[in-house]
Amino acid sequence: DTAVSQTPKYLVTQMGNDKSIKCEQNLGHDTMYWYKQDSKKFLKIMFSYNNKELIINETVPNRFSPKSPDKAHLNLHINSLELGDSAVYFCASSQIGNQPQHFGDGTRLSIL
Amino acid sequence: AQKVTQAQTEISVVEKEDVTLDCVYETRDTTYYLFWYKQPPSGELVFLIRRNSFDEQNEISGRYSWNFQKSTSSFNFTITASQVVDSAVYFCALTRDSTGTASKLTFGTGTRLQVTL
Repeated sequence: DTAVSQTPKYLVTQMGNDKSIKCEQNLGHDTMYWYKQDSKKFLKIMFSYNNKELIINETVPNRFSPKSPDKAHLNLHINSLELGDSAVYFCASSQIGNQPQHFGDGTRLSIL
Repeated sequence: AQKVTQAQTEISVVEKEDVTLDCVYETRDTTYYLFWYKQPPSGELVFLIRRNSFDEQNEISGRYSWNFQKSTSSFNFTITASQVVDSAVYFCALTRDSTGTASKLTFGTGTRLQVTL
């Protein structure tokens, strides 16, 4: 069984569109994260939620809005997509702050 | 501010060679955690190890070993008798010791390891 699953795996869309990426974890973890990996493979945190509450919000354009309907799900909605949003987005979860974060397989977002 | 430096951008070795991936970190925290993750060509991120800043004992897991040296702020990773399946990008990461509910990982830029026959 997949521990952290993201859908879709690939997302190709045009500039200006709105899209969502879904993430679910079945590890029973309380904390979930979104990371962005750019074309040079650099990984940077975007958001973190604990039990539906926003804990970490890095400097991310407000076109990006995370939503956590319950502690097992953390979705990422992106409005008005721009070319610079092209990247791989990873969802992760952990038990508490310093425990290992377990990552999903990533969603490759390509903006045409 | 926290920083992780992986100076080796890419390393190529022949199978069965030993290889060491370097990681140097900066932090003002007295307690912190260090991690290594593997990203194979398929793209997923695989957790390898977590090390507490209080525990400077080296760790061995099969062909993998880790050398934590607080005096030089380094947490190096050695693969013994490398195999083609070890080909991947390896990331070193750092987080502060948080009793809170979430803690962000600060990643290095990664080292791409290519193992050939």
